[in-house]
Amino acid sequence: NAGVTQTPKFRVLKTGQSMTLLCAQDMNHEYMYWYRQDPGMGLRLIHYSVGEGTTAKGEVPDGYNVSRLKKQNFLLGLESAAPSQTSVYFCASSSRTRTSEQFFGPGTRLTVL
Amino acid sequence: TQLLEQSPQFLSIQEGENLTVYCNSSSVFSSLQWYRQEPGEGPVLLVTVVTGGEVKKLKRLTFQFGDARKDSSLHITAAQPGDTGLYLCAGGTYKYIFGTGTRLKVLA
Repeated sequence: NAGVTQTPKFRVLKTGQSMTLLCAQDMNHEYMYWYRQDPGMGLRLIHYSVGEGTTAKGEVPDGYNVSRLKKQNFLLGLESAAPSQTSVYFCASSSRTRTSEQFFGPGTRLTVL
Repeated sequence: TQLLEQSPQFLSIQEGENLTVYCNSSSVFSSLQWYRQEPGEGPVLLVTVVTGGEVKKLKRLTFQFGDARKDSSLHITAAQPGDTGLYLCAGGTYKYIFGTGTRLKVLA
């Protein structure tokens, strides 16, 4: 099993450009998450999904959109990138149980110039 | 808004020393998790604590959940270079809040 995979691993954008980050999991997990990690700030939840076709806002959703058309995939979109969105983005998935472990992908390092 | 604060933020120690990392909040959490993250990788779960006062041991690592379920600690005995990494606590139920992290470096 591959677990949680993310593409791309690295990306450089210019201000105003758009892009989509793809997350895929092969563990049949119901829940999926997108986080960003900045120095000294731990992980902050951007958006999450509790099932196919459903999404919800996390702590820092502004400037991002998500979609979960298939259970195994969770897409994160940036419509008009800003330098403040320079960060490392992590996708995670977990099963439905109350204290379920989150399995993380390897991350995507995004730089917005 | 629930917040989790970790201390210390940075810790550099010699191999063989003991250390404790703290995770504190003013909010009550139904459970707390501890993760370790190595450079260039995503976090990996170490343990989940659920019951107030609970103590769990994982080899040289001891995790404790406060009686009031507002705080937790991670104690490492006889630290080794392989313990080097970023330690993160996370609280919640299916939707987690992460702490600010403690970056540990163990020198050989």
